[in-house]
Amino acid sequence: GDSVTQMEGPVTLSEEAFLTINCTYTATGYPSLFWYVQYPGEGLQLLLKATKADDKGSNKGFEATYRKETTSFHLEKGSVQVSDSAVYFCAPQGNQGGKLIFGQGTELSVKP
Amino acid sequence: DTEVTQTPKHLVMGMTNKKSLKCEQHMGHRAMYWYKQKAKKPPELMFVYSYEKLSINESVPSRFSPECPNSSLLNLHLHALQPEDSALYLCASSQAVGTQYFGPGTRLTVL
Repeated sequence: GDSVTQMEGPVTLSEEAFLTINCTYTATGYPSLFWYVQYPGEGLQLLLKATKADDKGSNKGFEATYRKETTSFHLEKGSVQVSDSAVYFCAPQGNQGGKLIFGQGTELSVKP
Repeated sequence: DTEVTQTPKHLVMGMTNKKSLKCEQHMGHRAMYWYKQKAKKPPELMFVYSYEKLSINESVPSRFSPECPNSSLLNLHLHALQPEDSALYLCASSQAVGTQYFGPGTRLTVL
């Protein structure tokens, strides 16, 4: 079945450091790919998405490129801020009724 | 506007109580979802409504009973819950198939 493997956390970085959170998936066809972010005590917010191969999703300085050949959708940001501290979920969207297949989540902590 | 609202924000209930969670969206979305999220875990899908009809039930115990009164509203009725049901309950909505937008959640504690 469809699955996703996400980089384990927690990840601790200093402010202005470069961030990469790896995400690879197994899915039939060409799923849409999403990154969601969950700040402490809140629900999930859509961070970015890509719907076809080579698409780049971007938002708030975060980027991720849909790599069909490596079935990956790694999240990157060039310079993290303390306010980026949150849990990040990678989620391919399967073909069964649009179900999201969530990764385990990566907790990011950014220190000043 | 991509807002999904959920009430209440917090709920404490005993194992013999009956309570309901409410979710509302005004984006014209025709699919609505209930998820359960335990601490430090990803959300787990419970139910999906598509065009106001239940389309997916992920083998959820009958003490959870969903209801979709109209295309904007989604309820989750709770009865005889167990302490292990304590979690964050998230509602989401989307076009028929597409990007899901989540609400802030209801944090449920079962005593």
